[in-house]
Amino acid sequence: DGGITQSPKYLFRKEGQNVTLSCEQNLNHDAMYWYRQDPGQGLRLIYYSQIVNDFQKGDIAEGYSVSREKKESFPLTVTSAQKNPTAFYLCASSINFPGELFFGEGSRLTVL
Amino acid sequence: KNQVEQSPQSLIILEGKNCTLQCNYTVSPFSNLRWYKQDTGRGPVSLTIMTFSENTKSNGRYTATLDADTKQSSLHITASQLSDSASYICVVRAEGAGSYQLTFGKGTKLSVIP
Repeated sequence: DGGITQSPKYLFRKEGQNVTLSCEQNLNHDAMYWYRQDPGQGLRLIYYSQIVNDFQKGDIAEGYSVSREKKESFPLTVTSAQKNPTAFYLCASSINFPGELFFGEGSRLTVL
Repeated sequence: KNQVEQSPQSLIILEGKNCTLQCNYTVSPFSNLRWYKQDTGRGPVSLTIMTFSENTKSNGRYTATLDADTKQSSLHITASQLSDSASYICVVRAEGAGSYQLTFGKGTKLSVIP
């Protein structure tokens, strides 16, 4: 079935460590996005990519990095520079940019 | 500043009852408005999308309305089921060539009890 796969579902990290969240889509969508969701807040955009080999910062890019080497993949690295990384991370894609978003199931990162 | 306000913050209803969720926005210029359903610990799923010219749109037991003049939208759920328990998120897109302007509401958490 076509869709967006995020992994891992749950991840624990010690302070000072980098961690990479995976996002893969087989929908043949051009655009991909990373959002952060915190309790009681709306989704906030971290990074987005309109097309392969291109990406732009969103509203809260500090402490995060991404790559878009393949159309299907848009991994997010949460670096040690991110001061409050514990959150629920959602990856999304759209057939073109901008377009209707299709979300993955999310990855919950907890920093110990 | 573009804003999306949803009310109520949370709601508890009995199975079989109807309910209405509200979304007020100040996004300008307006492009479209979407309602998403998000089950706990899962990704949001689109329920409906409404453009400026649309007043009402239904998706099964879900009916969304849009009043672009007052910048208000509502999501009406008919004959609620236990599986309707979720957060409902209103998202408004601003118009703008080459831009990416989505403003998310904080959501309404709906609990349907037997």
